[in-house]
Amino acid sequence: AQTVTQSQPEMSVQEAETVTLSCTYDTSESDYYLFWYKQPPSRQMILVIRQEAYKQQNATENRFSVNFQKAAKSFSLKISDSQLGDAAMYFCAYRAGAGSYQLTFGKGTKLSVIP
Amino acid sequence: EPEVTQTPSHQVTQMGQEVILRCVPISNHLYFYWYRQILGQKVEFLVSFYNNEISEKSEIFDDQFSVERPDGSNFTLKIRSTKLEDSAMYFCASSREGGKLFFGSGTQLSVL
Repeated sequence: AQTVTQSQPEMSVQEAETVTLSCTYDTSESDYYLFWYKQPPSRQMILVIRQEAYKQQNATENRFSVNFQKAAKSFSLKISDSQLGDAAMYFCAYRAGAGSYQLTFGKGTKLSVIP
Repeated sequence: EPEVTQTPSHQVTQMGQEVILRCVPISNHLYFYWYRQILGQKVEFLVSFYNNEISEKSEIFDDQFSVERPDGSNFTLKIRSTKLEDSAMYFCASSREGGKLFFGSGTQLSVL
């Protein structure tokens, strides 16, 4: 079974600084997708960024980028120029590429942004 | 931007009662999902639904749970006889091609 591990229960960052959230996963599949979701205090799940495993180029979305290391099964999220609104729980998630549409989530990292 | 909407936002029920959680997925999406999150824990997959039938379900989704798409726009989750451990935030999600999921704001279910 696939597992997703987020080893940092909590992180903090100064406003305007950069922070990296870690995620590792375990799978025997070669084709899959990886996601980062943000969950603010409202508890809505908001997609931050998505990476297809077959793509070597790391995904970026404005201030958010990933470092995808397929051999190491690592998928970290970098947030640049952190803003107060970035404070939230961040969940890493995995989805197999074919035949399954369920997401497997990590336990989450709570990010605090210090003004 | 289109959204997945869920109603109600909060639901309180007595143990043993039936509850129905309602969701309106994004209109051109074809895949529908329910997930749940017990307070302080990770989000867990319950069930996926495509082409008017369940495509996958987890061990959590036992005979007490059912899903339905009654009218082409709504997608419901029914819990037949609620238990205390069913208390959680329930998220509906939808996707167009099975990859990028859009989540609703959730329904907080409290079973007393």
